[in-house]
Amino acid sequence: DTEVTQTPKHLVMGMTNKKSLKCEQHMGHRAMYWYKQKAKKPPELMFVYSYEKLSINESVPSRFSPECPNSSLLNLHLHALQPEDSALYLCASSQDSPAPYNSPLHFGNGTRLTVT
Amino acid sequence: TQLLEQSPQFLSIQEGENLTVYCNSSSVFSSLQWYRQEPGEGPVLLVTVVTGGEVKKLKRLTFQFGDARKDSSLHITAAQPGDTGLYLCAGHRNDYKLSFGAGTTVTVRA
Repeated sequence: DTEVTQTPKHLVMGMTNKKSLKCEQHMGHRAMYWYKQKAKKPPELMFVYSYEKLSINESVPSRFSPECPNSSLLNLHLHALQPEDSALYLCASSQDSPAPYNSPLHFGNGTRLTVT
Repeated sequence: TQLLEQSPQFLSIQEGENLTVYCNSSSVFSSLQWYRQEPGEGPVLLVTVVTGGEVKKLKRLTFQFGDARKDSSLHITAAQPGDTGLYLCAGHRNDYKLSFGAGTTVTVRA
């Protein structure tokens, strides 16, 4: 079992819906990440939170809005998505704020999002 | 353009055979990590290599980091169906970002 828990596992939403993805870790990690992954492709970084503050936004459209309520929780709020946003959304955490080599990522199992 | 080039993209072998996956770059990395991702799951870290020339073994898996820290390889001996998955190399340069290779899909047939 992964130590990073993501809910829901699957989500189908229309283009006018508002939904949220949730991520939780209790490893005391101080950095948390959102990645987007298309089938048979590597994960693409979206956002990084370090010590509960947004430190990196990889030019993600504003229809994706991250939130870090506390050090264990990470949300991704979705609004007015497009069909091409359908993908596996992965949450990850690492012990330290982003650092060169001593922070391997611990991934959740993702939320499979389908936008209709 | 991918910062880390993985090859091959797909690999299908019979149980018991050996395989090698390569991860190459023109850039120097402070560390390289290998992950395996099974269908419906997130990537799971297999190993981190930090020192140029380093070799790490994990049961039937052998990981090597090139002397110049620009490339890495993953060798699996006597592959088993449980080794099936998407293998991803990922590296840190001197910045925050972990760059992923495009991945190698490995299928081990029973």
